Formats: sequence, C-alpha cells, structure tokens
Amino acid sequence: TQLLEQSPQFLSIQEGENLTVYCNSSSVFSSLQWYRQEPGEGPVLLVTVVTGGEVKKLKRLTFQFGDARKDSSLHITAAQPGDTGLYLCAGVGGGSNYKLTFGKGTLLTVNP
Amino acid sequence: DVKVTQSSRYLVKRTGEKVFLECVQDMDHENMFWYRQDPGLGLRLIYFSYDVKMKEKGDIPEGYSVSREKKERFSLILESASTNQTSMYLCASSFRLSGELFFGEGSRLTVL
Repeated sequence: TQLLEQSPQFLSIQEGENLTVYCNSSSVFSSLQWYRQEPGEGPVLLVTVVTGGEVKKLKRLTFQFGDARKDSSLHITAAQPGDTGLYLCAGVGGGSNYKLTFGKGTLLTVNP
Repeated sequence: DVKVTQSSRYLVKRTGEKVFLECVQDMDHENMFWYRQDPGLGLRLIYFSYDVKMKEKGDIPEGYSVSREKKERFSLILESASTNQTSMYLCASSFRLSGELFFGEGSRLTVL
C-alpha cells in the first residue's frame, strides 16, 4: 500500500508570510497532483508534476517534485487570505498501478 | 464550463434508511469515482467506474453499492444507512484513470 504523509496538518499564518507544505512517501510515484479545496467546495487541481526534480510555478505558488519521485513540496510566497483552504497531494502509482493515493491534507488559514 | 453535479448538498437520514446519492458529469468522461472525506482520514475511495455498467471496489466499499447505467451518471447507494456513514461524499470524474479529477461540490450526509 502506497502512503502519502502531508505536513504540517494545520497551518495558520498572517497575510504576507511565506510557507511550505510537504508531501512525503517511501514509495515512488509516476506523477503527483496537488489540489486545493475551499470550504464547502470540492477539490480543484492546481498542478501535476511528472519528472523527478521538476519545478512548476503558478503565480505565487511553487511546486517541486523530488528527484526520486517520492516526495513533493508546495511553497507559497506572500500568502493572501484567498489562499486559505485544504491542500491535498495525490500520487499516481508507478507501472500499471493507475490508482491515485491521496494524502490527508494540510489545512491552511491565512489571516488578514 | 465543465461540471460535476451532485444531487444533494445536505441530507439527513435515519439509521436503516436506504440512501441514494447521484452524480452527473457533462464532460463525456469514461471514469467516475465516489470518495468519502472525513476529518483526519482524508479522501478515501469507495468505488469507481471506468465504463457504463462497469465498477470496481475502492479502499472502503463495505456498506455501499454503485450503479452506472449511463455514461454521465454514477450513483452511490447505501442500502441500510448507519451512523458511521455520516460523512462528506465527493463524486469525481476523469478522462484518464490516473488523470486530473474533476470533483463535485460534495454531499454532506448525516445519519441519525
């Protein structure tokens, strides 16, 4: 069974601060997806990383896939209240294992 | 705008009742999924379907069944609801089995 550990579980910061959330596993994933879920809504895909060492940027959000494709990080620069939400990572198993494994998420609150 | 629509946002049912949760997608996706989301446990896959009338068990299928009679519609059935099935239920669809998931807004079920 492939497991994804996300840390921290909860994060409460002030507007303008920077933060990093982590998604770690002992398993190798062929790709990894990051979703954000706002209160009362379903998760929405932010980015998919595929190649080991890959870095993708989405405005103030920077996503990195580890070289060994076992871990990923999400860094937010100058957080805003609109960034508040639950951040979920989801890994796709390697080979013929197409199954998506979700982490338990990081609940981020950005206070004005 | 692509959409996954869940029939009910909030439901309250009594123990032993039969519950139907319906989900419709307008993206012509082959794959549809039912997850439940609980605090501290993250998203757990109940069932998924990769074609009309085809279904496969996810990680926690006990107490649930599904129906996919048409490509756009995927129903989750609780034959006899129990209090431990109180949860947020999320439907999703995707073009590829391991691809981006498009989620509905969720159905919050309370079983008394």
